[in-house]
Amino acid sequence: EPEVTQTPSHQVTQMGQEVILRCVPISNHLYFYWYRQILGQKVEFLVSFYNNEISEKSEIFDDQFSVERPDGSNFTLKIRSTKLEDSAMYFCAIGEGETQYFGPGTRLLVL
Amino acid sequence: GNSVTQMEGPVTLSEEAFLTINCTYTATGYPSLFWYVQYPGEGLQLLLKATKADDKGSNKGFEATYRKETTSFHLEKGSVQVSDSAVYFCALRGGSYIPTFGRGTSLIVHP
Repeated sequence: EPEVTQTPSHQVTQMGQEVILRCVPISNHLYFYWYRQILGQKVEFLVSFYNNEISEKSEIFDDQFSVERPDGSNFTLKIRSTKLEDSAMYFCAIGEGETQYFGPGTRLLVL
Repeated sequence: GNSVTQMEGPVTLSEEAFLTINCTYTATGYPSLFWYVQYPGEGLQLLLKATKADDKGSNKGFEATYRKETTSFHLEKGSVQVSDSAVYFCALRGGSYIPTFGRGTSLIVHP
């Protein structure tokens, strides 16, 4: 089973600050995904990324968010000017066929 | 649109008790159905899946049967262990690679 790590495991930030969440798949993959889970709510899809381009995004993924794969390995989610409601657990996933493998998540708290 | 409804938790059981976590879905067409498990401090892991009506997915003693007539995919295990304590997510995948998740059900197993 492919292994996915995420850093940091926890991040606390002030409202209005920018945060970058990182995802590091151990092996080479082409399909990447970001999800979030606000405490007590559903896991929500944010964006999928294939071949260095966004392939699909949800209505949550507005101009505040961006993704990139800066060095061909790390996959990052940037949140500009964070809001209180961005506090959530953010999961990265990689895809193999119809199965997705998730990282352990980053817990983001915006104060 | 697609949606998944899971029973609310936490579900608290004694070791060796029988487990059922209910999951029902709404979807067009013939989705694939999944159960994911999240152990403390880890990411979501695929537990089992079923891709067509009447299929039974099974893994680690857990089972779930794809019931199209009742649009359900209930998770069962005959004898739970303390190590099964985790959060369980039901999910479906329709036409795209983006799954729709339920809210998750926390299972707590006491010795």
